[in-house]
Amino acid sequence: ETTLTQSPAFMSATPGDKVNISCKASQDIDDDMNWYQQKPGEAAIFIIQEATTLVPGISPRFSGSGYGTDFTLTINNIESEDAAYYFCLQHDNFPLTFGGGTKVEIK
Amino acid sequence: QVQLVESGGGVVQPGRSLRLSCAASGFTFSSYGMHWVRQAPGKGLEWVAVISYDGSNKYYADSVKGRFTISRDNSKNTLYLQMNSLRAEDTAVYYCAKDHLYRVVGAPGGYWGQGTLVTVSS
Repeated sequence: ETTLTQSPAFMSATPGDKVNISCKASQDIDDDMNWYQQKPGEAAIFIIQEATTLVPGISPRFSGSGYGTDFTLTINNIESEDAAYYFCLQHDNFPLTFGGGTKVEIK
Repeated sequence: QVQLVESGGGVVQPGRSLRLSCAASGFTFSSYGMHWVRQAPGKGLEWVAVISYDGSNKYYADSVKGRFTISRDNSKNTLYLQMNSLRAEDTAVYYCAKDHLYRVVGAPGGYWGQGTLVTVSS
């Protein structure tokens, strides 16, 4: 099973900041990494697929990078509406696994 | 538009069974794999199971393997999750989600249901 270690678990940002969230895989997963945003009481929203591809309809302030074992979700010019939990997920092998999540707070 | 509507959740005693359903509309259901993902209260997301577009391949999380069975009826555009031998740790909101890839088993994509709460308690 591939373990995803996501960091930080919590971060606080000021509007306009650039935010980076890391996700490290316990083994090589190529680019089989997706990112999701979730707000309390809501289903997750799919934001990045295959590590670097922005899902259609998602703000271009979101971007993804990485390959193999190290991945990053970047939020540029963060806005208040970006306050949420963010999860990474690997789909290189079964069982699929999620990272532990990052809570992003906007000051 | 794509819609996924889960049903079947509720309160059940440990050791008992429950079957969840997910009614799909707005896309060609028989062309996409489907996933179940759950979220325990106050916790993160946990992938549960996936079934391929034609039902020929199924994969499970270790935590549910041997107890849960995923299935689908493409004639009814409906996904199922049969949950047996339920435990307290199975308490969660269960979401169904459409795969992000066409006719290939990938990952939960851009369409999720609203979730159905399963509570396992005596």
